[in-house]
Amino acid sequence: GDSVTQMEGPVTLSEEAFLTINCTYTATGYPSLFWYVQYPGEGLQLLLKATKADDKGSNKGFEATYRKETTSFHLEKGSVQVSDSAVYFCALSDRGGGGNKLTFGTGTQLKVEL
Amino acid sequence: DGGITQSPKYLFRKEGQNVTLSCEQNLNHDAMYWYRQDPGQGLRLIYYSQIVNDFQKGDIAEGYSVSREKKESFPLTVTSAQKNPTAFYLCASSGRQGPYTEAFFGQGTRLTVV
Repeated sequence: GDSVTQMEGPVTLSEEAFLTINCTYTATGYPSLFWYVQYPGEGLQLLLKATKADDKGSNKGFEATYRKETTSFHLEKGSVQVSDSAVYFCALSDRGGGGNKLTFGTGTQLKVEL
Repeated sequence: DGGITQSPKYLFRKEGQNVTLSCEQNLNHDAMYWYRQDPGQGLRLIYYSQIVNDFQKGDIAEGYSVSREKKESFPLTVTSAQKNPTAFYLCASSGRQGPYTEAFFGQGTRLTVV
């Protein structure tokens, strides 16, 4: 079945540091890929998305490129802020007969310090 | 404003009791989902529904039940058969078709068994 693997956290960075959170996936077809962010005690918010190979999703300074050859969708940001501290989830959507179910990675907690 | 509303935000249940979590959406989405979130395990799919009066089991459906009598509503009942119900529960919805199958999430309900 489909699966998503994320790097384990927590990841602790200083403000203005470069961020990379690795995400790789296994899927039988051509899934859509997503990054969601969760702030403490809240639900998930969509951060960015990509629906086909070589697409780049971007939002709020975050970027991720859909790499079919390496089955990866790594999240990057050039300069993190304290307000970016949250848990980040990589996910894929199976667009087959099972509807648009999302398969999530285990999440990576990011802590940004001054 | 369009969105997904979960209630209550916090819920306490005695052992052996059934409890129902509410989820309402006004996004006109066909598909709705229930996920369970435990620390370090990401999100796991409990049940999903692609259309009114139809729903399917997800990966961890045992001890849970759902109904989908209206497009806007997808309540989840945690029964006494669920042995470890303490968790954070997230409801989501998405459009059933189209290349962008992103899901929109509610703010979650934290259920604690006392």
